[in-house]
Amino acid sequence: SAVISQKPSRDICQRGTSLTIQCQVDSQVTMMFWYRQQPGQSLTLIATANQGSEATYESGFVIDKFPISRPNLTFSTLTVSNMSPEDSSIYLCSVGDQAQYFGPGTRLLVL
Amino acid sequence: EDQVTQSPEALRLQEGESSSLNCSYTVSGLRGLFWYRQDPGKGPEFLFTLYSAGEEKEKERLKATLTKKESFLHITAPKPEDSATYLCAVQLSKTSYDKVIFGPGTSLSVIP
Repeated sequence: SAVISQKPSRDICQRGTSLTIQCQVDSQVTMMFWYRQQPGQSLTLIATANQGSEATYESGFVIDKFPISRPNLTFSTLTVSNMSPEDSSIYLCSVGDQAQYFGPGTRLLVL
Repeated sequence: EDQVTQSPEALRLQEGESSSLNCSYTVSGLRGLFWYRQDPGKGPEFLFTLYSAGEEKEKERLKATLTKKESFLHITAPKPEDSATYLCAVQLSKTSYDKVIFGPGTSLSVIP
């Protein structure tokens, strides 16, 4: 299984600002996934990121709000733009063709 | 609409008291079903993959089974360290990018 790290592990941000979350994998992977886990809820897929192409966003998520970069096969970033308190969540990246392996998550609190 | 549900929402067991968690799914095409364990403040940890009805997987005190419409996670003689949220997820076969849908989870507490 892949080892995945995320930065930052947590942050407190002001309304209207943006935060970029980094995800680093210890091996090359084709697809990376970004999830959101709101307090007390399960995981919701935000988007799938392939290297060299535009990310594919799920219903309810748009590129202007959650721009994603995937510059190479081991790294991706997710930006949460123009944040509001409703964006307070844990953001997780994962990899895997079938079973997915997750990073430790980024806990975001928006005031 | 593709959907995954889990029951119960929360479960309290005495140490040694065996029980089962349920995952029911309604999807147009199933590629695989996964069980994960999630501890507070951490990302989900992969436990099992099941692909076809009748399949079973075991790991220590946990056994996962699969039918055509649901999966069970059986916990035998649980210990306090088994306390966690258990997530079920299904991978759809109709998409080109291996989309996975997660259930809401069952929060398990094992009391010494």
